[in-house]
Amino acid sequence: KAGVTQTPRYLIKTRGQQVTLSCSPISGHRSVSWYQQTPGQGLQFLFEYFSETQRNKGNFPGRFSGRQFSNSRSEMNVSTLELGDSALYLCASSGDGQNEKLFFGSGTQLSVL
Amino acid sequence: GESVGLHLPTLSVQEGDNSIINCAYSNSASDYFIWYKQESGKGPQFIIDIRSNMDKRQGQRVTVLLNKTVKHLSLQIAATQPGDSAVYFCADFTGGFKTIFGAGTRLFVKA
Repeated sequence: KAGVTQTPRYLIKTRGQQVTLSCSPISGHRSVSWYQQTPGQGLQFLFEYFSETQRNKGNFPGRFSGRQFSNSRSEMNVSTLELGDSALYLCASSGDGQNEKLFFGSGTQLSVL
Repeated sequence: GESVGLHLPTLSVQEGDNSIINCAYSNSASDYFIWYKQESGKGPQFIIDIRSNMDKRQGQRVTVLLNKTVKHLSLQIAATQPGDSAVYFCADFTGGFKTIFGAGTRLFVKA
């Protein structure tokens, strides 16, 4: 079974631009959640999607958004990039997101210059 | 608010020795914990989990201990190997997708 796939692996953007990150969950998994990882803040929850609906959201500004498609693939968008958005963005999938452990992708390393 | 913390940011052990990584949590209602390992350039990988109805669980070379009285858990790695070098996170998975992750302990294994 293929694992969680995230693309691209690396991104370099400049302030003010927007970016879209992609995540393909493990086959059969319906829950996809997104996390931001930085050295100072660790892993922080962004949002979770289940059956194409955002089920829960963390404490990030509205510049961070996402969506999920009918095949459970998910995208995350960050608009009006700021320097502080530089981070590793991790996607995780699980069967239902409630009682099953998370399986992570390798992440997308975003650098904002 | 809820938090999960690790006692040490780094741990250095000799190859072949046992490693113990500690973690404290704050929510007394928490009932499901997971340990993850994150190697450089990779996402966190599941190591072992434990529910609050247990105080010990063993895997291959790893053991997790849960002390609900003092809200503390630990990960023990037996016969630590160079491939064990990584950052280890404990996570309070009680909230499912809103998992609360600890800051991580970086384990260095000296040959």
